[in-house]
Amino acid sequence: GESVGLHLPTLSVQEGDNSIINCAYSNSASDYFIWYKQESGKGPQFIIDIRSNMDKRQGQRVTVLLNKTVKHLSLQIAATQPGDSAVYFCAENMGADGLTFGKGTHLIIQP
Amino acid sequence: DGGITQSPKYLFRKEGQNVTLSCEQNLNHDAMYWYRQDPGQGLRLIYYSQIVNDFQKGDIAEGYSVSREKKESFPLTVTSAQKNPTAFYLCASSSRTGWSEKLFFGSGTQLSVL
Repeated sequence: GESVGLHLPTLSVQEGDNSIINCAYSNSASDYFIWYKQESGKGPQFIIDIRSNMDKRQGQRVTVLLNKTVKHLSLQIAATQPGDSAVYFCAENMGADGLTFGKGTHLIIQP
Repeated sequence: DGGITQSPKYLFRKEGQNVTLSCEQNLNHDAMYWYRQDPGQGLRLIYYSQIVNDFQKGDIAEGYSVSREKKESFPLTVTSAQKNPTAFYLCASSSRTGWSEKLFFGSGTQLSVL
């Protein structure tokens, strides 16, 4: 099966709240992780990435946390907006096998 | 406006027909990729190319073929051997070879069977 998975297929949050989307990975040798956002009928858009020598990386309203001890990756979105509604994918670099993508989490923003 | 252009956006295939999906990039990227996406599923790699005139099979290459005659172009042909071709096809590119680089995706082609 896929080494990158998700904890919740759908996440519903109130507009203005913070969102946390989780991913688990199984390959402790993975050295690169990336988050994408995909809106319906469109291609994935890059959000943020992180290498295994880091624990945290911040972007504009987004933060990625990497916990190598428990092989867990999370994406935090601050002050969630209606435009954040999408499916969010994590992916890991498994070396020669390339990027492995999770099935995604559907983020729904409640008004 | 730099990026990756996929065409057509929608494509229909008849029984026994081969169809070709176009992917063009003007980002001057060396590596290009084709992924297949089924509803509620992650992306699965079909083929990738790290340099002109060279390409490698991904996880689900059977029933597909590609060419890389130019750096900017990486067309995907869905052959009649692919018995379940209905899916959303995504082309991507990255600036360098190797997998620790972010991929830039096109807007996708939805292929359906008539």
